[in-house]
Amino acid sequence: DTAVSQTPKYLVTQMGNDKSIKCEQNLGHDTMYWYKQDSKKFLKIMFSYNNKELIINETVPNRFSPKSPDKAHLNLHINSLELGDSAVYFCASSLGPRRQGRTEAFFGQGTRLTVV
Amino acid sequence: AQKVTQAQTEISVVEKEDVTLDCVYETRDTTYYLFWYKQPPSGELVFLIRRNSFDEQNEISGRYSWNFQKSTSSFNFTITASQVVDSAVYFCALRHNRDDKIIFGKGTRLHILP
Repeated sequence: DTAVSQTPKYLVTQMGNDKSIKCEQNLGHDTMYWYKQDSKKFLKIMFSYNNKELIINETVPNRFSPKSPDKAHLNLHINSLELGDSAVYFCASSLGPRRQGRTEAFFGQGTRLTVV
Repeated sequence: AQKVTQAQTEISVVEKEDVTLDCVYETRDTTYYLFWYKQPPSGELVFLIRRNSFDEQNEISGRYSWNFQKSTSSFNFTITASQVVDSAVYFCALRHNRDDKIIFGKGTRLHILP
């Protein structure tokens, strides 16, 4: 059973298109994240949600809109894709704020987005 | 401000040598968590270890060991008798207890040469 799964794994699309990446976790975690990893391997947090509520929004362009229909899912929709959006996008989940125990984030396998 | 610094961008060592990856963090919080992750060439992010701010015990797990020192805000990672399979990018990360934000250092790319 995959703990954090995201689809698709690869996404190639033209500039100006709109695309979505889906993420699901079956760990019962309260917090989910989206991270962007650029070509230099820098991992930057984009958003986090706790129990469907937006907690962190790290000055990401408005073209990126996360949606959390329930605490097990966090999808990322990107409008009007640009060349600079090409990157690997990782979904992750963790227990939640002020929780003890296994506080690390569990990551999905990543979605490699290529904008041409 | 919250910050993680991995000053070593890239390291190359010959197989069987020991290697230490450095991590220095900044935080104003008293409760926080530190992690190391490994990203092999296949691309997934693999969790290696967690350490919380009130537990300064060092840890050894097989060939891996971690040295956490609050006095110097460092959380270094040592691989003993390195192997080619250890070649990967290694990330140090910091999480605050109050808002769950996890930030990563820029990573250290480790090459183990046969």
